[in-house]
Amino acid sequence: DVKVTQSSRYLVKRTGEKVFLECVQDMDHENMFWYRQDPGLGLRLIYFSYDVKMKEKGDIPEGYSVSREKKERFSLILESASTNQTSMYLCASRGANNSPLHFGNGTRLTVT
Amino acid sequence: QKEVEQNSGPLSVPEGAIASLNCTYSDRGSQSFFWYRQYSGKSPELIMSIYSNGDKEDGRFTAQLNKASQYVSLLIRDSQPSDSATYLCAVRLGAGSYQLTFGKGTKLSVIP
Repeated sequence: DVKVTQSSRYLVKRTGEKVFLECVQDMDHENMFWYRQDPGLGLRLIYFSYDVKMKEKGDIPEGYSVSREKKERFSLILESASTNQTSMYLCASRGANNSPLHFGNGTRLTVT
Repeated sequence: QKEVEQNSGPLSVPEGAIASLNCTYSDRGSQSFFWYRQYSGKSPELIMSIYSNGDKEDGRFTAQLNKASQYVSLLIRDSQPSDSATYLCAVRLGAGSYQLTFGKGTKLSVIP
């Protein structure tokens, strides 16, 4: 079974803090993704990576950056957290071609 | 704009009935189609994938794909209260896309 592990289940941060969300997958997948999910807005793609050190902007990259130094690890960085970044963050990975996405358990981030 | 559309519901069915969930997509070149189930507060979990026109059955679940009509559906037979969740349709829009595009989901309630 594919395992995607997100480092924190719940996180509370203050406005202006730098926040790191970590994600690790154990299936040697090329592609990794960060989504946020908000009521009524569905899943929105923030960033994705198709290879080590490669990254592409998704639909809502503003206020976020990412890092992929190793194939199994994909980090989401909030440079200066704001209250509108309070959300559920979901990491996912998938293999090549038509394979499905596998999600981590999610991190519920609250910025106060 | 490339889109995946779902009826948001809620869809209520009595226990034992067939639940029918529908999804349309905008890109005629799409090749991969997935259904995810998401319980409240949890991350999405894959329940079905379908790549070719026609039906694909897995236990109580049947996915149906009609590429000419750009339409994919999920049937749940003998619905159970434990099937109550939000169902997300995901499509790999176009042949070369790395990402999956998600609909906003349909909330299903199975009434005992």
